[in-house]
Amino acid sequence: DGGITQSPKYLFRKEGQNVTLSCEQNLNHDAMYWYRQDPGQGLRLIYYSQIVNDFQKGDIAEGYSVSREKKESFPLTVTSAQKNPTAFYLCASGTYGYTFGSGTRLTVV
Amino acid sequence: ELKVEQNPLFLSMQEGKNYTIYCNYSTTSDRLYWYRQDPGKSLESLFVLLSNGAVKQEGRLMASLDTKARLSTLHITAAVHDLSATYFCAGNAGGTSYGKLTFGQGTILTVHP
Repeated sequence: DGGITQSPKYLFRKEGQNVTLSCEQNLNHDAMYWYRQDPGQGLRLIYYSQIVNDFQKGDIAEGYSVSREKKESFPLTVTSAQKNPTAFYLCASGTYGYTFGSGTRLTVV
Repeated sequence: ELKVEQNPLFLSMQEGKNYTIYCNYSTTSDRLYWYRQDPGKSLESLFVLLSNGAVKQEGRLMASLDTKARLSTLHITAAVHDLSATYFCAGNAGGTSYGKLTFGQGTILTVHP
C-alpha cells in the first residue's frame, strides 16, 4: 500500500542535542513538506521540497535543517539552535492536496 | 501572501443540530481543502474543492466554495458525537507556490449528547 511513514512516533531530546525525524513516502510524489503543530494551534510550515536536491525555507525554518537526496525521503533535523522544539511534527507529500504521515511528538527533557 | 482564517475557532454543538464552519482566504487560491484531525492524530483529507460553486458531500458533512467571496463553508447536518474533532481548511496560492498549502487555525468541534 502506498503511504507516508514517519518515525519515531515519540522522541525525547536533551538540551543541546540534535535529533533527526524520518519521513519516507512511496507515493512517487515530487513535493514533500514538514509542518510543526503546537498544542491547540494550526500548522506552520518549516521546510518544503518540490524536487530532489532542492528545498526551501518555510515560515519557521530557524533551528531546523533538511535534506532531499532521494525522492522518497525528506528527513528533518531539529538542531540545538531551536530553543523551543517541543511540538508535534507532521510530514506530508503531494502537490494537489497532501497525504500526511502519522506524526512525531518531540519532547525536550 | 495567502492568509486563511476560520471561524469559529471553538464550536460546541448538541447532537442532532446543524452548524457551519467558515473559511475565508485573502487572495486567489487554486483549490480549497478541508481536513479533519482527531486528538493526538494526524490529518485526514475530507474534501478538495476545485472551482467556484463546487459542492461536495460525505455523510453529514458538506463543503462548498465561493471563489468570488473567497469563502468556503463546511456544513454539519444533524451532528453526532463521532464528528468531534478539529477541522482545518487550507488554500494553495498557486504560481511558484504550487503545492504549498496555507492552513487556517482550525476549528475545534465538540458534539454533546
